[in-house]
Amino acid sequence: EPEVTQTPSHQVTQMGQEVILRCVPISNHLYFYWYRQILGQKVEFLVSFYNNEISEKSEIFDDQFSVERPDGSNFTLKIRSTKLEDSAMYFCASSGLAGQETQYFGPGTRLLVL
Amino acid sequence: QKEVEQDPGPLSVPEGAIVSLNCTYSNSAFQYFMWYRQYSRKGPELLMYTYSSGNKEDGRFTAQVDKSSKYISLFIRDSQPSDSATYLCAMSRGNTGGFKTIFGAGTRLFVKA
Repeated sequence: EPEVTQTPSHQVTQMGQEVILRCVPISNHLYFYWYRQILGQKVEFLVSFYNNEISEKSEIFDDQFSVERPDGSNFTLKIRSTKLEDSAMYFCASSGLAGQETQYFGPGTRLLVL
Repeated sequence: QKEVEQDPGPLSVPEGAIVSLNCTYSNSAFQYFMWYRQYSRKGPELLMYTYSSGNKEDGRFTAQVDKSSKYISLFIRDSQPSDSATYLCAMSRGNTGGFKTIFGAGTRLFVKA
């Protein structure tokens, strides 16, 4: 069964550093998303991406964040100048044209900012 | 008022019990209603989704949506210890660029053998 994959599974970084989280969505999917989940809190929408551009973003997704689909398979989330409060689990999700509302999630990247 | 409200539990039941999980929401723009299951330190796994009021059944799981009351439920019959997880309700509204999904806080369920 096709699945969304994410790398790395864990990332530890120093405050102020840049990190790039990588995702490989399901191959025939067209819509891509990033969510985050701070420990003990709910899953929060960050951004949706379609047709090589951001289609919607939340108030969390400020200028510190950017997304990119550098090739036909990867989807990345870049966090510039990380802050302590960026420590969270980051989930990538994708959905296909036929079932846009059914998003399939990856296993997540656990980011720890020290 | 929060867009989605869900009792975080925990909810503890004996094996074989019927489990009822619920969420309320405030935004009438939501079109799709989902239930995800999340095991500890894993990504959410889609269990069921629906876009209309009424019931939808899949094996031991039944999802129920009442748009007039802005209330959704998930019922689990013959609950098993393997059902122990956090259950997330989620709702989305779409545009041409995809669906923004809003999650509830999640209800932690423990099924005791």
